[in-house]
Amino acid sequence: EPEVTQTPSHQVTQMGQEVILRCVPISNHLYFYWYRQILGQKVEFLVSFYNNEISEKSEIFDDQFSVERPDGSNFTLKIRSTKLEDSAMYFCASSDNRLIGNTIYFGEGSWLTVV
Amino acid sequence: AQTVTQSQPEMSVQEAETVTLSCTYDTSESDYYLFWYKQPPSRQMILVIRQEAYKQQNATENRFSVNFQKAAKSFSLKISDSQLGDAAMYFCAYRSANTGTASKLTFGTGTRLQVTL
Repeated sequence: EPEVTQTPSHQVTQMGQEVILRCVPISNHLYFYWYRQILGQKVEFLVSFYNNEISEKSEIFDDQFSVERPDGSNFTLKIRSTKLEDSAMYFCASSDNRLIGNTIYFGEGSWLTVV
Repeated sequence: AQTVTQSQPEMSVQEAETVTLSCTYDTSESDYYLFWYKQPPSRQMILVIRQEAYKQQNATENRFSVNFQKAAKSFSLKISDSQLGDAAMYFCAYRSANTGTASKLTFGTGTRLQVTL
């Protein structure tokens, strides 16, 4: 069964460093998402992406965050200058048609630890 | 804004028994989708079941079924014949059918399910 894949599974970075989290969505999907889950808390929406542009973002997704689909298969989340509070599990997700509410499929997550 | 509430932080069930996890939500919309996701210790988010709000019939997937009460804005998950592998965190989630906000899932805080022998 097709799946969303994410790399790295775990990354430790120093505060102030840039981090890029990578995702390969399911191949025929058109909509891509990043979600975040701070340890012990609920999953929170960050951003959705369609047709090479952001379609929606949350208040969490400030100027420190950016997303890109550089080569037609990968979908990346960049955090420019990481803060301690960015430590979380970051989930990439994809769906094939937002307009009919199709299911969003999640990757296994990238656990980011900022020290 | 929509909110999703899961009032049971933890639940426990014996193997082979049935358990029901509660979820309520608040919305002014009439068309939307509801989901239950399972998050095992591996932390992957796995879809368990989905329900379209326009459908009156409750969704079922093998041992998993829902009790969808639209007027009460309630969406509970029933797990029958519980198995050890069902032990996980379960998240209820809401997704609008409005095109402007259809992209995001709004999650509840989760219910941790323990399965005992």
